[in-house]
Amino acid sequence: DTAVSQTPKYLVTQMGNDKSIKCEQNLGHDTMYWYKQDSKKFLKIMFSYNNKELIINETVPNRFSPKSPDKAHLNLHINSLELGDSAVYFCASRGQNNYGYTFGSGTRLTVV
Amino acid sequence: AQKITQTQPGMFVQEKEAVTLDCTYDTSDPSYGLFWYKQPSSGEMIFLIYQGSYDQQNATEGRYSLNFQKARKSANLVISASQLGDSAMYFCAILPKDRGSTLGRLYFGRGTQLTVWP
Repeated sequence: DTAVSQTPKYLVTQMGNDKSIKCEQNLGHDTMYWYKQDSKKFLKIMFSYNNKELIINETVPNRFSPKSPDKAHLNLHINSLELGDSAVYFCASRGQNNYGYTFGSGTRLTVV
Repeated sequence: AQKITQTQPGMFVQEKEAVTLDCTYDTSDPSYGLFWYKQPSSGEMIFLIYQGSYDQQNATEGRYSLNFQKARKSANLVISASQLGDSAMYFCAILPKDRGSTLGRLYFGRGTQLTVWP
């Protein structure tokens, strides 16, 4: 009964590969997010979807593409992975009348 | 523009003592929310406490309290009776509301690593 679940938890891959991270929430929230936590632990927003509509698209390389098939899912696809993409990626969701976020447990991506 | 500053990269406290983690913020939005999150070594982000900018009273949640001083733009987290399990990274974050709550973008500070020793 996990509220926001991300898969996989760990992902090790070679440079140049394409990979996806999946996120699902069962809270009935309207808005979902992707955050990136770098090696210095700094968290920064990447994307946000509200009811399947992209509402935040930060300055990230266009190798990163979010996809939201429905409001309970927000996946992150990364093309042509680079060493600098190594980080922890967090999915989160937020309800319309709830200013608080619920975070997933994170996906540690390591590009070798 | 939004900015969160956490000036203490690391803090140490003895078990059962209280500790204050500093957070100052800068925002041009008159309405905003302030959050504290805990990130233990296992990596998950755990919500601790929330303070709205128009809330008259300081927020409290169990052993956590938020010392909100609006004029000083500070939102310090106070942890009372520290426990070994409190050792973690703590993040302060701001959520501006002025453009409506739809965007809901959180801006984080760089965190404070708290170590509780026996």
